[in-house]
Amino acid sequence: SQTIHQWPATLVQPVGSPLSLECTVEGTSNPNLYWYRQAAGRGLQLLFYSIGIDQISSEVPQNLSASRPQDRQFILSSKKLLLSDSGFYLCAWNGGRGGYTFGSGTRLTVV
Amino acid sequence: AQSVTQPDIHITVSEGASLELRCNYSYGATPYLFWYVQSPGQGLQLLLKYFSGDTLVQGIKGFEAEFKRSQSSFNLRKPSVHWSDAAEYFCAVGFTFGNEKLTFGTGTRLTIIP
Repeated sequence: SQTIHQWPATLVQPVGSPLSLECTVEGTSNPNLYWYRQAAGRGLQLLFYSIGIDQISSEVPQNLSASRPQDRQFILSSKKLLLSDSGFYLCAWNGGRGGYTFGSGTRLTVV
Repeated sequence: AQSVTQPDIHITVSEGASLELRCNYSYGATPYLFWYVQSPGQGLQLLLKYFSGDTLVQGIKGFEAEFKRSQSSFNLRKPSVHWSDAAEYFCAVGFTFGNEKLTFGTGTRLTIIP
């Protein structure tokens, strides 16, 4: 069966520090992968999506970047975090059957 | 551009009472529609989805939703809520089956009182 792993679960980082969040999918190949951010009371905002290795589309220009070095690995990064980067980050994959499967999320607090 | 509106930010329901969460979408064609549930600090879980056919769809945990094209709505219902249903609920819309980028509503937080 397909599973999605996301880590770390919780992260507290100082302003100006780098960021790397990782998401991996098991049990499937060539999935569509997505990074969403959820800010308090603001729903889910699509940040990046990827249809294949090194194929990344950015939905919202900001302080973040994404990479997909392997078929089932999707990484969200930042060189220098801002306070406004705080939020709950969710990775998801789309196996083509409609709808997403989400990871358990990373709570990022920038201090 | 497609959009999703969940007009109720927060709903409080007594345990055992019925529930209806509203969702309206804006899109030129028939979209693919989804409802997700999120427990605190967790990812989102798919409750149900509509692609075509019967406009009343059944999901997990006793939930159902009805697609009404004339009203551009996809409301979520449950006849009798349980305390464990307390969570946040998100409606979402996509437009390309299998490769869709979903647009989510802002969510409705459901509180259950004894």
